[in-house]
Amino acid sequence: QKEVEQNSGPLSVPEGAIASLNCTYSDRGSQSFFWYRQYSGKSPELIMFIYSNGDKEDGRFTAQLNKASQYVSLLIRDSQPSDSATYLCAVKDTGNQFYFGTGTSLTVIP
Amino acid sequence: NAGVTQTPKFQVLKTGQSMTLQCAQDMNHNSMYWYRQDPGMGLRLIYYSASEGTTDKGEVPNGYNVSRLNKREFSLRLESAAPSQTSVYFCASSMAGNTIYFGEGSWLTVV
Repeated sequence: QKEVEQNSGPLSVPEGAIASLNCTYSDRGSQSFFWYRQYSGKSPELIMFIYSNGDKEDGRFTAQLNKASQYVSLLIRDSQPSDSATYLCAVKDTGNQFYFGTGTSLTVIP
Repeated sequence: NAGVTQTPKFQVLKTGQSMTLQCAQDMNHNSMYWYRQDPGMGLRLIYYSASEGTTDKGEVPNGYNVSRLNKREFSLRLESAAPSQTSVYFCASSMAGNTIYFGEGSWLTVV
């Protein structure tokens, strides 16, 4: 069973701070890595994806991937109350199947 | 843009009843998926279809059947609903395993 592990939280940060979300995965053959945001009662929406080791930045969001450590993270800079949501880490394997973590709940305190 | 559309959004069933969740995508994606999401369990794959005419079991297929009617549509059927199938169901699609896009979800309660 391929596993994707996330801290369930809740994680609370003050407005303007950096939120750091972490994810580990079990399948070394995993090819692509995704971060989704899910507001309560809504469907997951893509924030960003990363394929290669290193950092990838998109606005206030930075994804970091370390395949050797089987670790992917998401940094949210200048956190806003609107960032309060559950963040899902997803991993795609060589068979085009997506595996999701249970999500980390983030609260940004004004 | 419609993206992934699933119906119904809310449904209450009695134990033993049957129903079909409908899903359609207009993004010309090859792959389609059905997930269920339960508190503390995350998203779990029920069935997926890599392309038109093919379906495969995911992590939790028991009690469900699927039909890939054509490239656009992928339905999920509960033949005899059980309270353990109370959940939120998400249909999703992707092109060749690239980014996966979700429908708005279907809230199902089995009493």
